[in-house]
Amino acid sequence: KQEVTQIPAALSVPEGENLVLNCSFTDSAIYNLQWFRQDPGKGLTSLLLIQSSQREQTSGRLNASLDKSSGRSTLYIAASQPGDSATYLCAVTTDSWGKLQFGAGTQVVVTP
Amino acid sequence: DVKVTQSSRYLVKRTGEKVFLECVQDMDHENMFWYRQDPGLGLRLIYFSYDVKMKEKGDIPEGYSVSREKKERFSLILESASTNQTSMYLCASSLGGRGPDQPQHFGDGTRLSIL
Repeated sequence: KQEVTQIPAALSVPEGENLVLNCSFTDSAIYNLQWFRQDPGKGLTSLLLIQSSQREQTSGRLNASLDKSSGRSTLYIAASQPGDSATYLCAVTTDSWGKLQFGAGTQVVVTP
Repeated sequence: DVKVTQSSRYLVKRTGEKVFLECVQDMDHENMFWYRQDPGLGLRLIYFSYDVKMKEKGDIPEGYSVSREKKERFSLILESASTNQTSMYLCASSLGGRGPDQPQHFGDGTRLSIL
């Protein structure tokens, strides 16, 4: 059974520092890996989707890498801002219907 | 923009009650999903539906059922609510068919408390 782990569970950084968030999964047979952002009391917003054949994906200050063989992905957020404070979740797609298996998330606080 | 609307943001019910959580999407999506989110556990799939009247169990279907009579609406039903079903419930939809790269669009969630 696929298991997705995110470490650490919480992270606090001063504004301007780069953020590094980690995600690991146990079964490399995935279709893709996605990173989501969740603000308190809200639903999820998709940030990046990396296909299983890709090594990385970039959007603005966000960069996500994928090493499928070792079961790892890393989300980098450059020059963090207080508005980046949120919970970040990674999820892998485990079947052709698009069902997602989520990690528990990393709660990020960026202090001014 | 896709809009997924969950009928209630907060809901308080009593043990043993039958509880309905409603979700409506406005983009003619075929796939719809129900997740529950608990601290330290992330989101776990309860049920999903890939067409009207079609449903499949997710990872934690026990104690739940679903209904999809119309394409835009997917209901989650707690037949006899119990305190361990206190949680945040999230609905999502995606375009449809067998497309693992189609993004899921999420509603804002319903925080359900069972007393």
